[in-house]
Amino acid sequence: DADVTQTPRNRITKTGKRIMLECSQTKGHDRMYWYRQDPGLGLRLIYYSFDVKDINKGEISDGYSVSRQAQAKFSLSLESAIPNQTALYFCATRGQGNYGYTFGSGTRLTVV
Amino acid sequence: GQQLNQSPQSMFIQEGEDVSMNCTSSSIFNTWLWYKQDPGEGPVLLIALYKAGELTSNGRLTAQFGITRKDSFLNISASIPSDVGIYFCAGQGAGGTSYGKLTFGQGTILTVHP
Repeated sequence: DADVTQTPRNRITKTGKRIMLECSQTKGHDRMYWYRQDPGLGLRLIYYSFDVKDINKGEISDGYSVSRQAQAKFSLSLESAIPNQTALYFCATRGQGNYGYTFGSGTRLTVV
Repeated sequence: GQQLNQSPQSMFIQEGEDVSMNCTSSSIFNTWLWYKQDPGEGPVLLIALYKAGELTSNGRLTAQFGITRKDSFLNISASIPSDVGIYFCAGQGAGGTSYGKLTFGQGTILTVHP
């Protein structure tokens, strides 16, 4: 099993629908992150969490919300999806004293 | 916020050639990392750099943390077809608001022709 698992891998949804992307990890890391990847823009931080009671906005949090249900689970929601939220979404984890992230395989979201 | 400028945006090379890419910033970074993303997968860490001036190798890959702490480069020697992918630089800034967060460059798309 992968260290960081994202579901679903692919999703097509309609404008205005609420959608949740899920992430779970088996690495025992406290820190979890949601990034969005767009061609030519790299990876941009949406939200991050340093533990279950800690949630922080990243640089592009508008239109998104998150929930840290447990140390191992961090979900991202789009309250009312719009077409410019079409992108590849990545969840990542990071351990204490470790600067490298471990990424999931991504969720490709298309909003039509 | 902090930004990283990564160049080139894309490279088309012949197998066996050497590759060089770099990242620059107007801000100081405490840590530089280089990641590779294969198609359909998440980025995977290649090299991490923790000190200004540090030069680190990982097989055919060599990366350096710039003396000014505002830049880093990655070299790939004797490229092979499996080097194809997107390469990202990432840095953790020196400021308090940067704690625990990485900023990523825009990525370099590498294509290797056999």
